[in-house]
Amino acid sequence: GEDVEQSLFLSVREGDSSVINCTYTDSSSTYLYWYKQEPGAGLQLLTYIFSNMDMKQDQRLTVLLNKKDKHLSLRIADTQTGDSAIYFCAEGQGGKLIFGQGTELSVKP
Amino acid sequence: GAVVSQHPSWVICKSGTSVKIECRSLDFQATTMFWYRQFPKQSLMLMATSNEGSKATYEQGVEKDKFLINHASLTLSTLTVTSAHPEDSSFYICSAKTSGVTYEQYFGPGTRLTVT
Repeated sequence: GEDVEQSLFLSVREGDSSVINCTYTDSSSTYLYWYKQEPGAGLQLLTYIFSNMDMKQDQRLTVLLNKKDKHLSLRIADTQTGDSAIYFCAEGQGGKLIFGQGTELSVKP
Repeated sequence: GAVVSQHPSWVICKSGTSVKIECRSLDFQATTMFWYRQFPKQSLMLMATSNEGSKATYEQGVEKDKFLINHASLTLSTLTVTSAHPEDSSFYICSAKTSGVTYEQYFGPGTRLTVT
């Protein structure tokens, strides 16, 4: 079945890099996504990667995809206190999204 | 960018009453809208998918008679929680996508429902 797993918490110091990991099970997923959710708010799409890509970089964000291991990661360079939030990975197929549990990122000054 | 709004943002209702939540795409036509439910500190669970002008498709385990979804126009979908009970208290989030761009869903800010 469809299942997306993430670690629940990550704590880093301001200025360090953050790496959030995700594993998924559906090898037929077309797109994989990273969303950010701040307290009491909806989801903001950070970035996505097509399943035939290995890497995508967008400013401070780098997404790595290992399709063989079904492993997705999000690296945030120079993490800031404003990056503190919950980060969800999601796999998508045909417009339907399956979300992981979310990783709570805490950035300490 | 594409904006999706939800109304109300927070609602408190008494057990046994019904509550309607609206989801609007403000600057684009949403051929498909999705309704999610999120419990505190948990992930989003897809409840149903609705296409404009047709009946919603509900995920397994979601009661379609309890969670009524209407997608009557390309900019508006509504979710009505009928005969609400305290266990229906949750954060309800909608998202919308157009027919042209297949990879992105635009999410609303969510509606917090508390049933007393």
